[in-house]
Amino acid sequence: QKEVEQNSGPLSVPEGAIASLNCTYSDRVSQSFFWYRQYSGKSPELIMSIYSNGDKEDGRFTAQLNKASQYVSLLIRDSQPSDSATYLCAVKFAPFQGGSEKLVFGKGTKLTVNP
Amino acid sequence: EPEVTQTPSHQVTQMGQEVILRCVPISNHLYFYWYRQILGQKVEFLVSFYNNEISEKSEIFDDQFSVERPDGSNFTLKIRSTKLEDSAMYFCASSEAYFGPSGANVLTFGAGSRLTVL
Repeated sequence: QKEVEQNSGPLSVPEGAIASLNCTYSDRVSQSFFWYRQYSGKSPELIMSIYSNGDKEDGRFTAQLNKASQYVSLLIRDSQPSDSATYLCAVKFAPFQGGSEKLVFGKGTKLTVNP
Repeated sequence: EPEVTQTPSHQVTQMGQEVILRCVPISNHLYFYWYRQILGQKVEFLVSFYNNEISEKSEIFDDQFSVERPDGSNFTLKIRSTKLEDSAMYFCASSEAYFGPSGANVLTFGAGSRLTVL
């Protein structure tokens, strides 16, 4: 059973601070990693994708991947109240060795950015 | 920005009734998916569809569920006889490809159809 684990939070940070969101996954052969943002009652919206070890930056967002530790994180710099949402980590496991096409989601971490 | 369109946005039905949820995927996408999210829980995979057939389904996707691509644009999810536990948000998603580090495997989600079974 492929698993994706996230701390459900809630995580509360002041406006302007760095928010750090973490995710671990169960399978070493996972290939594709995604962070989605989900506002209450809305659909998941892609924030970042990352495929290789290291950091990937896009504006205020940085995704970090460590495949040896089976760990992926998302940093949000200069957090804004509009960043308040649930952040979903999702992993696509490799098609070989039991993987499939589906995305496996974590439960999500609820982030609140306080003005 | 291309988008995945879902209808209806909210459907209320009686237990035992049939429900059809509709989706229009992004036009150049080849892989289509249904996911669901019960209130307060994880987003869960139901089924993937490629080349006019189911390519993968989860244990949730039992005989009460079916999918169809009746024409070149629509992708539907049918629940034959709804149960109370089918109440959830159902998300349609599509992607250009299903695998590879190119970004083509990124799923774009529709806004969702909220199903309430009474």
